[in-house]
Amino acid sequence: AQSVTQLDSHVSVSEGTPVLLRCNYSSSYSPSLFWYVQHPNKGLQLLLKYTSAATLVKGINGFEAEFKKSETSFHLTKPSAHMSDAAEYFCVVSNTGNQFYFGTGTSLTVIP
Amino acid sequence: DAGITQSPRYKITETGRQVTLMCHQTWSHSYMFWYRQDLGHGLRLIYYSAAADITDKGEVPDGYVVSRSKTENFPLTLESATRSQTSVYFCASSGPGDLYEQYFGPGTRLTVT
Repeated sequence: AQSVTQLDSHVSVSEGTPVLLRCNYSSSYSPSLFWYVQHPNKGLQLLLKYTSAATLVKGINGFEAEFKKSETSFHLTKPSAHMSDAAEYFCVVSNTGNQFYFGTGTSLTVIP
Repeated sequence: DAGITQSPRYKITETGRQVTLMCHQTWSHSYMFWYRQDLGHGLRLIYYSAAADITDKGEVPDGYVVSRSKTENFPLTLESATRSQTSVYFCASSGPGDLYEQYFGPGTRLTVT
């Protein structure tokens, strides 16, 4: 069985400060993990993915995530938040490529 | 237009009516997916298709029917709409180069009254 838990439903940061969005996963096999971003009234866009290569994954727009098997975590970080980062973020797990399990999402607010 | 499109973007229908949501992609991706997005649940997989004429159930398939006679199209039908099917529906596609990277359509907001 696979599942994802996003530990914070809402995160607020000031512009220019670091962002941390937390994700824990459960998977019976070696998982592939993803972060997607959804801006208001838009579809989802892939930020980054981990598919058993390097454990530190770099994505678009300055985001990174680190796969930690011992902690079953895949937290998303960014050193300096920008106003345009305000959006909903989803952590996703898959081990087959045809079934994807989404977390419930974290809403990121960036305060000017 | 290149990419993945959904139609209609907004739909209001009555309980008991049949509704079909359309999804079209221009990349010749092998995999296509239908999700619904509800507050507190994130996105949940309804059905997916690995290729034309091959479909399989996802996490929440009850009340929905899919077909895929052509690679580029993947319609989702609600045979008898219920209020619990009020949701935002997203179509996605992936492959063949990277089956794990999904590309999402803009979504269809469906309201069942």
